[in-house]
Amino acid sequence: NAGVTQTPKFRVLKTGQSMTLLCAQDMNHEYMYWYRQDPGMGLRLIHYSVGEGTTAKGEVPDGYNVSRLKKQNFLLGLESAAPSQTSVYFCASSADTYGYTFGSGTRLTVV
Amino acid sequence: ILNVEQSPQSLHVQEGDSTNFTCSFPSSNFYALHWYRWETAKSPEALFVMTLNGDEKKKGRISATLNTKEGYSYLYIKGSQPEDSATYLCARGYQKVTFGTGTKLQVIP
Repeated sequence: NAGVTQTPKFRVLKTGQSMTLLCAQDMNHEYMYWYRQDPGMGLRLIHYSVGEGTTAKGEVPDGYNVSRLKKQNFLLGLESAAPSQTSVYFCASSADTYGYTFGSGTRLTVV
Repeated sequence: ILNVEQSPQSLHVQEGDSTNFTCSFPSSNFYALHWYRWETAKSPEALFVMTLNGDEKKKGRISATLNTKEGYSYLYIKGSQPEDSATYLCARGYQKVTFGTGTKLQVIP
């Protein structure tokens, strides 16, 4: 049982480049989330989805877009990367209130 | 309390000591309170989710209590072991969950 898988694990981007982070879960969870983790800030919600075809903004959505075309996948896109988007990104999924299952994280550096 | 706040920020205890941490959160419009354990170089792992005032949960040597009326939760670790060294996160909410910044515990052998 793989749980939540994030790809890639590491990436270095130049300012202005675009990229997509992929999150895949095999637990048939309805809810999926993208968080970023910065030193001293804790986990902050970027976007989330409550089911296939739905997305909603979290606390820090600017500069990011998401899509949930299939229930098992939740994609996070950066259209024009900025140094302020250097962070560790975590995807998570959940079934109602049973707690989140997190992926292993993607460390992104924007230079 | 406007956000989820955790104290202390960090803690060092000797192996065998019992310890506890606090999570404070807004008491209005409460839905759920989560606790996670986050080991270095790994991803957060769910410990407990509590929804009712007075809830108590236990998993091995770790337990948690919840007071939704006054907006706090305690996490207790009995007889700390080196493998308990981790950051313990609490989070409040449903769907749009807000996380605290965590309590970093180091257990000294």
